[in-house]
Amino acid sequence: KQEVTQIPAALSVPEGENLVLNCSFTDSAIYNLQWFRQDPGKGLTSLLLIQSSQREQTSGRLNASLDKSSGRSTLYIAASQPGDSATYLCAARDSNYQLIWGAGTKLIIKP
Amino acid sequence: DAMVIQNPRYQVTQFGKPVTLSCSQTLNHNVMYWYQQKSSQAPKLLFHYYDKDFNNEADTPDNFQSRRPNTSFCFLDIRSPGLGDAAMYLCATSRSGTSGRGGANVLTFGAGSRLTVL
Repeated sequence: KQEVTQIPAALSVPEGENLVLNCSFTDSAIYNLQWFRQDPGKGLTSLLLIQSSQREQTSGRLNASLDKSSGRSTLYIAASQPGDSATYLCAARDSNYQLIWGAGTKLIIKP
Repeated sequence: DAMVIQNPRYQVTQFGKPVTLSCSQTLNHNVMYWYQQKSSQAPKLLFHYYDKDFNNEADTPDNFQSRRPNTSFCFLDIRSPGLGDAAMYLCATSRSGTSGRGGANVLTFGAGSRLTVL
């Protein structure tokens, strides 16, 4: 059974720093992996989707990588800003085509 | 802009009083999902529609029902809300297709409906 883990549950960094958020999955047989952002009390916004055949995707200051062999994905945020403060969730689409979610990392960027 | 719209954004109901939440989309996506999300937890899939085909998750309580009268609209009915049903309810849509290509399978979420049960 696929399990997705995000550690740490919370992270606080000063503005301007580059940072990495982690997502681990137990079964490498995935179709894709998505990263989402959720602001407090709001819905989720899709940030990046990485197909199983890809190693990374980039959008602006965000770069997501995928290493199926090690069961890891990372979301790299360059030059962090206070507006990046949110909860970041990853979700892996498993071999049964189900979307398996991590519990998220709450990110706080301090001005 | 094409989007997913949920109404109401905030719903307060009494214990046992039925509630209906609505979701509409202008994306013409063929797949629609209802998720339940409690504080600091990951979203939990309740059910989804693949075109007109209804797919219920095995652990979704019978208290939860859904309707999709057409491609654009989907409703979540909670027949007898309990205190444990207080949560954010999220509607999402996606377009089926080869995994990830051309935007397929990317989920677009609405802003959510927060349900309070008194």
